[in-house]
Amino acid sequence: AQTVTQSQPEMSVQEAETVTLSCTYDTSESDYYLFWYKQPPSRQMILVIRQEAYKQQNATENRFSVNFQKAAKSFSLKISDSQLGDAAMYFCAYRSADSGTYKYIFGTGTRLKVLA
Amino acid sequence: DTGVSQDPRHKITKRGQNVTFRCDPISEHNRLYWYRQTLGQGPEFLTYFQNEAQLEKSRLLSDRFSAERPKGSFSTLEIQRTEQGDSAMYLCASSLAAGGPPETDTQYFGPGTRLTVL
Repeated sequence: AQTVTQSQPEMSVQEAETVTLSCTYDTSESDYYLFWYKQPPSRQMILVIRQEAYKQQNATENRFSVNFQKAAKSFSLKISDSQLGDAAMYFCAYRSADSGTYKYIFGTGTRLKVLA
Repeated sequence: DTGVSQDPRHKITKRGQNVTFRCDPISEHNRLYWYRQTLGQGPEFLTYFQNEAQLEKSRLLSDRFSAERPKGSFSTLEIQRTEQGDSAMYLCASSLAAGGPPETDTQYFGPGTRLTVL
């Protein structure tokens, strides 16, 4: 069975600085998708970025980028020029590319605090 | 384009009572998912529908839980004889099966229903 591990329960970053959130996963599959979701306090989860495992190029979305290391099964999220609005829980998620299942497997999350 | 909506947002009930939650997905989305999130944990998959067919259920979905999506639009999740261990946030998500590879099938989440069982 696949698992997702986020080893940093909490991280802090100064406003305008850069922070990296870690995520590792375990799978025997060769094709899959990886996601980072943001969950602000008392608000719904929103997609930050996604990565297809067959793509070697790391995904980027404005200030958000990933470092996808397939052999190491690592999928970290880098947030550049951190803003107060980035404060939230961040969840890493895995989805098999097997067409028989579409469920996401989530990590336990990292709480990001942004310091003014 | 409205997002995924869930009702109610909060529910407090006494142990042993039945509760029902509703989820309205994004209108053109044909897949709908239910997850449960307890404090300090990530969401855990419960079940998933494609149109009106329930295609996958987690072992977490005990016999006291039942989910339906009768017309392939909104879905309901019912918990019978609630227990204190059922206290959690129940999240609904929806996605569009676009067909053909590659199919990322990104899920969009609702705000959740927070259940407290006393």
